Amino acid sequence: AQSVTQLGSHVSVSEGALVLLRCNYSSSVPPYLFWYVQYPNQGLQLLLKYTSAATLVKGINGFEAEFKKSETSFHLTKPSAHMSDAAEYFCAVSEGAAGNKLTFGGGTRVLVKP
Amino acid sequence: DTGVSQDPRHKITKRGQNVTFRCDPISEHNRLYWYRQTLGQGPEFLTYFQNEAQLEKSRLLSDRFSAERPKGSFSTLEIQRTEQGDSAMYLCASSPTGSKNIQYFGAGTRLSVL
Repeated sequence: AQSVTQLGSHVSVSEGALVLLRCNYSSSVPPYLFWYVQYPNQGLQLLLKYTSAATLVKGINGFEAEFKKSETSFHLTKPSAHMSDAAEYFCAVSEGAAGNKLTFGGGTRVLVKP
Repeated sequence: DTGVSQDPRHKITKRGQNVTFRCDPISEHNRLYWYRQTLGQGPEFLTYFQNEAQLEKSRLLSDRFSAERPKGSFSTLEIQRTEQGDSAMYLCASSPTGSKNIQYFGAGTRLSVL
């Protein structure tokens, strides 16, 4: 069975500061990993994905994530926070090509202070 | 590419009533998924279609829930005899074959059961 743990349900950062959102996963087969962002009353928008190619993945809006198999982690970072980054972020895992459903973490809500 | 469309966006119903939601996937996406998201939680998988075939159902999908995708295009999710615990956001996602499980989400239908 696959699972995802996101450390910290809320993160507060100052505008211009580093954003770091933590995600650890478990999977019985090589995983595909995803980060999605959700703005209030909206669906989920894909930020970036790891699908067994490069371990450092770049996404939209300046976000990137690094897949570390030894640590079973897929942390999301952005060097400089912008007010528009205030949203909820979800990490998700899918069990490789044979699996289809996504298993999501509980989410991390990001607050950006001016 | 108009994105995944869900209708209605909001539904308020009384306990015991039946409700039906519709999802129109991105054109030519043969995979369609339903998820449920309760307040403060990540989405949870409900069911998955490949074309018109329902290939997987979660244990969350009780006998009161039924989903269909009769022509392999749009899908409906029906909840019979609604309960207050059914109040949630119901999200639909679609994915093309060979996409490595990349799923594109609609804006969701928010259900409130009074």
